Amino acid sequence: SQQGEEDPQALSIQEGENATMNCSYKTSINNLQWYRQNSGRGLVHLILIRSNEREKHSGRLRVTLDTSKKSSSLLITASRAADTASYFCATDLPSEGAQKLVFGQGTRLTINP
Amino acid sequence: DTEVTQTPKHLVMGMTNKKSLKCEQHMGHRAMYWYKQKAKKPPELMFVYSYEKLSINESVPSRFSPECPNSSLLNLHLHALQPEDSALYLCASSRGIGRLQETQYFGPGTRLLVL
Repeated sequence: SQQGEEDPQALSIQEGENATMNCSYKTSINNLQWYRQNSGRGLVHLILIRSNEREKHSGRLRVTLDTSKKSSSLLITASRAADTASYFCATDLPSEGAQKLVFGQGTRLTINP
Repeated sequence: DTEVTQTPKHLVMGMTNKKSLKCEQHMGHRAMYWYKQKAKKPPELMFVYSYEKLSINESVPSRFSPECPNSSLLNLHLHALQPEDSALYLCASSRGIGRLQETQYFGPGTRLLVL
């Protein structure tokens, strides 16, 4: 079942600009996470925001969470060519036992030098 | 060591072959995951092992058979696959002890082509 929708599907900006990606989800969550994937490789965890948190920062990353709107955003400031990748939000659904992450469709970010 | 390793990196197999994918981590994580990812799509959860027991099976066809021989190893046995099973297969692990801050570490994946 599809939980996360992301927009835009693709984003192309100039180096140094800020990039904003949005994620919407449908059901209640334990937390929401953002991952990055370079072309055809494994995913790298970027940041986790718990359901009772509204904003979180990590370096050039800023994540917000609005549980009333069931949405989150990821802001990358002062973008660099190395930020070119696909970015996925992932919702941690309440379940007994092991964690179950459901990934959004992803945003393909291209940073032009 | 914060790495999840996967072998092989690439695999080409026929529909009658039997092959296995291997995943290994030495971070002491007690949860391990298999995902399938098609091109330009998000990863889709297949299986979750928690403390070496199968915890989640997302209604995956029986031609995929997971195995967790010990807390560091996770295998995915493949038999009689179809061409539509061609994809990137990702393994991940997590501490498996606390849900509020649980994050997953991913391997680089095995790119599988079924002919």
